[in-house]
Amino acid sequence: KQEVTQIPAALSVPEGENLVLNCSFTDSAIYNLQWFRQDPGKGLTSLLLIQSSQREQTSGRLNASLDKSSGRSTLYIAASQPGDSATYLCAVLMDSNYQLIWGAGTKLIIKP
Amino acid sequence: GAVVSQHPSWVICKSGTSVKIECRSLDFQATTMFWYRQFPKQSLMLMATSNEGSKATYEQGVEKDKFLINHASLTLSTLTVTSAHPEDSSFYICSARESGSYEQYFGPGTRLTVT
Repeated sequence: KQEVTQIPAALSVPEGENLVLNCSFTDSAIYNLQWFRQDPGKGLTSLLLIQSSQREQTSGRLNASLDKSSGRSTLYIAASQPGDSATYLCAVLMDSNYQLIWGAGTKLIIKP
Repeated sequence: GAVVSQHPSWVICKSGTSVKIECRSLDFQATTMFWYRQFPKQSLMLMATSNEGSKATYEQGVEKDKFLINHASLTLSTLTVTSAHPEDSSFYICSARESGSYEQYFGPGTRLTVT
């Protein structure tokens, strides 16, 4: 059974710092991995999607990497801003049934 | 493109009553829709998968008689929480997927509070 773990559960850093969020999964038979952002009481915003054959994806200040064989992904946020404060979720799409399995998220606070 | 809406965005109901949540795909035909539940500070948990015109498939531990799902058209799925109790209070999110695609598009969620 696939398990997705995100570490840390919460992170608070000063504005301007670069930071890394981690996501690990136990079953490497995934189709892709996605990173989402969720603001309090709101829905999901897709940030980056990495196909299983890819190693990384970049969008602006965000860079996501994927090491499928070791079951790890990282989300790198450069030059963090207060507006980046949100909960970041990773989810893997299973090869077998195309179901999304979610991590519990990392709550990020960027202090001005 | 690929916009999914949910209605209502929030709802408060009394214990014992039923509440219906709608999920609509606005600019594509959703042959499959998914319903998730998210408790505070927890991950999204898949409740059920529904294919247009057929009965929903419920995940283990989800009561199908309590959470009624109808996917009668290619653009609309509804989740009805019957005889709601305070422990049903949660954030419910739907997603939709086109035929032949694996990508899910998410609705903005519905906050249900049962008093």
